[in-house]
Amino acid sequence: GQQLNQSPQSMFIQEGEDVSMNCTSSSIFNTWLWYKQDPGEGPVLLIALYKAGELTSNGRLTAQFGITRKDSFLNISASIPSDVGIYFCAGQKSGNTPLVFGKGTRLSVIA
Amino acid sequence: GAGVSQTPSNKVTEKGKYVELRCDPISGHTALYWYRQSLGQGPEFLIYFQGTGAADDSGLPNDRFFAVRPEGSVSTLKIQRTERGDSAVYLCASSLTKSADTQYFGPGTRLTVL
Repeated sequence: GQQLNQSPQSMFIQEGEDVSMNCTSSSIFNTWLWYKQDPGEGPVLLIALYKAGELTSNGRLTAQFGITRKDSFLNISASIPSDVGIYFCAGQKSGNTPLVFGKGTRLSVIA
Repeated sequence: GAGVSQTPSNKVTEKGKYVELRCDPISGHTALYWYRQSLGQGPEFLIYFQGTGAADDSGLPNDRFFAVRPEGSVSTLKIQRTERGDSAVYLCASSLTKSADTQYFGPGTRLTVL
């Protein structure tokens, strides 16, 4: 099935560094979502974006909904060890259509 | 309150066998979703229930896969004649009313087909 293009696939960073990851699609989505998944758990919603151009923050996390509606990025500032995990972007075309996920970005934080 | 729960957490079966995976959504959530997550991939949509009815089953890969939600709460994903390629984590999510609402995921059932 369709999946969004998410990059980078993995990242190794030092504690305290900022992180940026992004997600692109060949088609338009009207909602963009960012999830974090820890081992053995289901994804947990971090940020939801509903409007093109929207920039939304949740603590140290900031995400933007691209103007073209075909991309989104997630920034994490001042990373800490508990940021370790897999981050997924997801797009939704309309309110009653399924979520389409990226393949994930695996983040490792070196203390 | 309790989140989405899934049982069993792990299931090992032999090729050709039948399996049932159960999902208990958050109480009061009318929308329920099943996703499949293969190793190194993001979740892929299988089926979406609104109440007791399947509103969208376009993600079911073939007719070996079937899901029910007879009373609009608990759902069971059923896989017949399992194949090794069915091995994956099967995730369930629920949302309050419709798919535009925040979807809360369960921990998943890891299915291994030998």
